[in-house]
Amino acid sequence: QKEVEQDPGPLSVPEGAIVSLNCTYSNSAFQYFMWYRQYSRKGPELLMYTYSSGNKEDGRFTAQVDKSSKYISLFIRDSQPSDSATYLCAMSPNTGGFKTIFGAGTRLFVKA
Amino acid sequence: DTGVSQDPRHKITKRGQNVTFRCDPISEHNRLYWYRQTLGQGPEFLTYFQNEAQLEKSRLLSDRFSAERPKGSFSTLEIQRTEQGDSAMYLCASSFDSNSPLHFGNGTRLTVT
Repeated sequence: QKEVEQDPGPLSVPEGAIVSLNCTYSNSAFQYFMWYRQYSRKGPELLMYTYSSGNKEDGRFTAQVDKSSKYISLFIRDSQPSDSATYLCAMSPNTGGFKTIFGAGTRLFVKA
Repeated sequence: DTGVSQDPRHKITKRGQNVTFRCDPISEHNRLYWYRQTLGQGPEFLTYFQNEAQLEKSRLLSDRFSAERPKGSFSTLEIQRTEQGDSAMYLCASSFDSNSPLHFGNGTRLTVT
């Protein structure tokens, strides 16, 4: 079993829809939770960064962490065609960024 | 701040040749990381530096791989005697400290023929 599980998709939604992306994990030591967006042939771009449980909102993006269920989510409101990309969840314990573990990514397509 | 810069963007080489990639991190970041990403997978950790010291290496980093970060600034990743299995995207990232998130460059895509 992988430490971080993420549905690879693809997920296809119409423009304006609310998108829900999720990851589950098994290591209870994870304290830092990130979401990255990766366009084709580009590097991952940091979208959201949260510590421990709770919600964080930034514009159209909301990240949720439920440590009791070992489950994290990213919501995208009013999705746009420019949101079409692969979304990677990532997490690490509080002992260093080199222990950051990534999910395999979910491919999202937003249709105009 | 121009972000993390990697060069070249794409490298095509024949099996058995040596290749070297360069990474310039965000200037105020003292931690630098190398990751590898294959199609349909998330990035996998290879090695990291704090300033000029290489502090951790993954078991993925075989003896054919070597990384350096002279003077704690830019870093190079060299692969000797390349194999077809080395074909991947090699990503460099940097962070301000151990509890800061990673910021990635756009990677070097290696194709070994």
